[in-house]
Amino acid sequence: QKEVEQDPGPLSVPEGAIVSLNCTYSNSAFQYFMWYRQYSRKGPELLMYTYSSGNKEDGRFTAQVDKSSKYISLFIRDSQPSDSATYLCVVGGGSSNTGKLIFGQGTTLQVKP
Amino acid sequence: GAGVSQSPRYKVAKRGQDVALRCDPISGHVSLFWYQQALGQGPEFLTYFQNEAQLDKSGLPSDRFFAERPEGSVSTLKIQRTQQEDSAVYLCASSLARAGELFFGEGSRLTVL
Repeated sequence: QKEVEQDPGPLSVPEGAIVSLNCTYSNSAFQYFMWYRQYSRKGPELLMYTYSSGNKEDGRFTAQVDKSSKYISLFIRDSQPSDSATYLCVVGGGSSNTGKLIFGQGTTLQVKP
Repeated sequence: GAGVSQSPRYKVAKRGQDVALRCDPISGHVSLFWYQQALGQGPEFLTYFQNEAQLDKSGLPSDRFFAERPEGSVSTLKIQRTQQEDSAVYLCASSLARAGELFFGEGSRLTVL
């Protein structure tokens, strides 16, 4: 079993739609949770970062963490063509706590104009 | 520089050749990570440095892979006797602190023929 499971998609939505991206993780020792966005042929870049269960909002993006069920979500409101990218669910801070981040497979999103 | 710089961006090697991939982290960043990203997959952890010390190399797939960061800044990932399964994008990331945001370079795309 992979430490972070994520549906690879691809997911295709019309411009303006609400997008929901999800992933699960296996180890309850993980302490922090992130979403990275990766455009084609570029390195990943941090989108959202949270330490605790609950919601965190930043503009059109909301990250949600439920530690009891080990479930992480990212919601994108009013999606734009520029949101077309691969979204990577990421966890860190496990028992070794070296700062190593564990990435999910990534979900590819396409927002059509 | 302003961001993490990796070179070469693209490398084609014949099976059995040795390759060296260079990473220039953001100035002052203590932590440096190497990740391997196969096509359609999320980045997989290879190794981690804190300054010049290699604190975690648990992700290196075989003893053909070797990484160093002798002066605590520039790092080199070396792959000896390359195999086709080594074909991937090799991402370098740096961070101010052990558990801080990772800033990624654009990666070095290795193709082994």
